[in-house]
Amino acid sequence: DAKTTQPTSMDCAEGRAANLPCNHSTISGNEYVYWYRQIHSQGPQYIIHGLKNNETNEMASLIITEDRKSSTLILPHATLRDTAVYYCIVATSGTYKYIFGTGTRLKVLA
Amino acid sequence: NAGVTQTPKFQVLKTGQSMTLQCAQDMNHEYMSWYRQDPGMGLRLIHYSVGAGITDQGEVPNGYNVSRSTTEDFPLRLLSAAPSQTSVYFCASSYSRLAGVNGELFFGEGSRLTVL
Repeated sequence: DAKTTQPTSMDCAEGRAANLPCNHSTISGNEYVYWYRQIHSQGPQYIIHGLKNNETNEMASLIITEDRKSSTLILPHATLRDTAVYYCIVATSGTYKYIFGTGTRLKVLA
Repeated sequence: NAGVTQTPKFQVLKTGQSMTLQCAQDMNHEYMSWYRQDPGMGLRLIHYSVGAGITDQGEVPNGYNVSRSTTEDFPLRLLSAAPSQTSVYFCASSYSRLAGVNGELFFGEGSRLTVL
């Protein structure tokens, strides 16, 4: 299973876009990139996922580089409620092991 | 629709005691899993199941047992609790076995376990 590397922490001003990077240089062709976030000590919440193409939903956008070795989660207009730990994971279809790393602690500043 | 329900939410055990953390989902999900999260750390996979009667080990399975007799339930058993098992435990489920196809995980609210 491919591993991911994320910065430990980031700050973002309220109302600005939050861009959270993730490196997954060993990703293979059938591995998906998933993003989750964990607010306080609640259970993690699914945000978005993708394979090759960029994806957008009501919460965020996911930009995956052409070589698929890295991706960026974009929260277009960060609010204080987006303060959380964000996890980037890769998931291989058929292996069922969803391995979380330590994530990025995003702090949105008023 | 309750989603993923974990019980108990809090538990204090003495070293050597046994207990079972319960996890139930009402979404007819094939995939279920257990994670532990230590203070300031990420989530580590303990065990997972891809359907009734099928379980497998994750990253940190030692000291824990699981079984999956029904689609809905996936209990986690601690046979002889140790202080190192003090942690927050999360159960998660997914509709599909296949990453990328309805593969997003739904998490419970967590069970906070302290072993003295």
